[in-house]
Amino acid sequence: DAGITQSPRHKVTETGTPVTLRCHQTENHRYMYWYRQDPGHGLRLIHYSYGVKDTDKGEVSDGYSVSRSKTEDFLLTLESATSSQTSVYFCAISATGYQETQYFGPGTRLLVL
Amino acid sequence: AQTVTQSQPEMSVQEAETVTLSCTYDTSESNYYLFWYKQPPSRQMILVIRQEAYKQQNATENRFSVNFQKAAKSFSLKISDSQLGDTAMYFCAFMKDNDMRFGAGTRLTVKP
Repeated sequence: DAGITQSPRHKVTETGTPVTLRCHQTENHRYMYWYRQDPGHGLRLIHYSYGVKDTDKGEVSDGYSVSRSKTEDFLLTLESATSSQTSVYFCAISATGYQETQYFGPGTRLLVL
Repeated sequence: AQTVTQSQPEMSVQEAETVTLSCTYDTSESNYYLFWYKQPPSRQMILVIRQEAYKQQNATENRFSVNFQKAAKSFSLKISDSQLGDTAMYFCAFMKDNDMRFGAGTRLTVKP
């Protein structure tokens, strides 16, 4: 299994509060991704990173920001959480991006009240 | 944007039998990759099989095989000799560059 951890694994927060989710990898892969999973939608890409300090938007990026200051860590921030951001969040990594298989972390369940 | 459709929200199969999960996609691209991922109750996303669009030969991985029909934009997954451990959500995914699009999933239940 790819060495990917996510923290926290579960979080309950209130509307309007900031939330940061962390993805940590031990594989030294260049590419990292954040997805959200909602019923009826499968997984949808929020943001991805192709290197330290290099990030780009995905399909559902509104309301989210990301940062990557080290190869091994990719942070997802909800600046002001809303109930529509209640979801399961997955981090994924791939060695070289472009057409490479992505390997997923265990997921973080976030509930925004 | 590419879209992926899984038309079977739920399916069931008897243990040891064969089941086929359907997936269609819409794209104008000629080079891309297709995947099937499995998500058991643990919620972990597990790669089942991958297919490169430029390869005509269908991918196989042990009991799992695909039927890739590029012209029809169809990518079905066949599970042979179904086992109880195959019970899971199965997601079809299309990838071009760093843009991966998933279908809504098919919930498969293997019955003893």
